[in-house]
Amino acid sequence: KQEVTQIPAALSVPEGENLVLNCSFTDSAIYNLQWFRQDPGKGLTSLLLIQSSQREQTSGRLNASLDKSSGRSTLYIAASQPGDSATYLCAVSLYNFNKFYFGSGTKLNVKP
Amino acid sequence: EAGVVQSPRYKIIEKKQPVAFWCNPISGHNTLYWYRQNLGQGPELLIRYENEEAVDDSQLPKDRFSAERLKGVDSTLKIQPAELGDSAVYLCASSLDPSNNEQFFGPGTRLTVL
Repeated sequence: KQEVTQIPAALSVPEGENLVLNCSFTDSAIYNLQWFRQDPGKGLTSLLLIQSSQREQTSGRLNASLDKSSGRSTLYIAASQPGDSATYLCAVSLYNFNKFYFGSGTKLNVKP
Repeated sequence: EAGVVQSPRYKIIEKKQPVAFWCNPISGHNTLYWYRQNLGQGPELLIRYENEEAVDDSQLPKDRFSAERLKGVDSTLKIQPAELGDSAVYLCASSLDPSNNEQFFGPGTRLTVL
């Protein structure tokens, strides 16, 4: 079974700071990895999807990287804003299973 | 394009009562997922459908939970009878197909069992 870990569980930073969120997984035979954002009381919003053959994906101020061999992915947020405050979750799917395993998330607070 | 639709958004019931959740996926999405999310945790898969077929229900507590996706479009998840430990957010997600499996989530149904 795939185990997905996100550290830290919570993070508080001042506005404007660049930050990195971490996601690690135990089984490197992944199909792809997806980063989500979840606002309180809401569903999950897809941010970035990285295929196993890719090393990174970028969308605006977000950049996600993938290192399968070490079982790690990072989500880099540039010039953080208070509106970025949310819980960020990563999810990994395995080949031939089409099943996503989620981490518990990192709760981000960006202070004005 | 409409996103994944779920109803109701909130449900409060007493233990031992039945409850049902409804999900309408994004048009054209063949894969549908039901997840349960406990407070402070990531979602855990309950059941996954490819069209009408339930292809992964290994985590579904089959003694009290049931699901259906009769026409390969919308889906219903039922709990009967509900227990206190079933209090959680129930999320529905859909993706295009197994090879293009980027997931899109609905807003969820928050269930409280008293």
